[in-house]
Amino acid sequence: KNEVEQSPQNLTAQEGEFITINCSYSVGISALHWLQQHPGGGIVSLFMLSSGKKKHGRLIATINIQEKHSSLHITASHPRDSAVYICAVGSPDKLIFGTGTRLQVFP
Amino acid sequence: DTAVSQTPKYLVTQMGNDKSIKCEQNLGHDTMYWYKQDSKKFLKIMFSYNNKELIINETVPNRFSPKSPDKAHLNLHINSLELGDSAVYFCASSQETTGSPSTYFGPGTRLTVT
Repeated sequence: KNEVEQSPQNLTAQEGEFITINCSYSVGISALHWLQQHPGGGIVSLFMLSSGKKKHGRLIATINIQEKHSSLHITASHPRDSAVYICAVGSPDKLIFGTGTRLQVFP
Repeated sequence: DTAVSQTPKYLVTQMGNDKSIKCEQNLGHDTMYWYKQDSKKFLKIMFSYNNKELIINETVPNRFSPKSPDKAHLNLHINSLELGDSAVYFCASSQETTGSPSTYFGPGTRLTVT
């Protein structure tokens, strides 16, 4: 069993839908990262959080330290949100990555 | 301006060769990293390095060695390349901070060993 589990593995949505991607982890962490990997392969760091909730545009990330669980929400999804979303936990020199959630948003 | 850059973007080479991938960051960060993404798209850290300490993931073969000529650069040198080394390699940098994402990734280098 991976130390970082994401669900679902694959997700399709219609444009405008509200998206939720979940991440559960079994190790103690100092921070949790949400990353976005575009179809071309480039990786963008979306959020780093250690408690509570953060919002950036249409993206919202929450974390519950006690339950060892984080969610990434996308409001009013758009085809350009299509990407692989990766959860990673730990400090930068000991990041453990989830296997990613592939999101496809159709017009 | 590109924050973290890598060259080359693509690298095709034969088994047994020695190759290097270069990484540069212009963010003034103290720490740089190399990550490997395998064919199943699974990311794994290989090295982290600042001017004080090199931390090596114990699963990385010693054919892989990071070389840092200065704080802004962390190059990855690979000796005696093997087929299983084919992957995408990402460089990243970070700075201890709170708030916004502190880890920035390069665009990746796709290495193909034939």
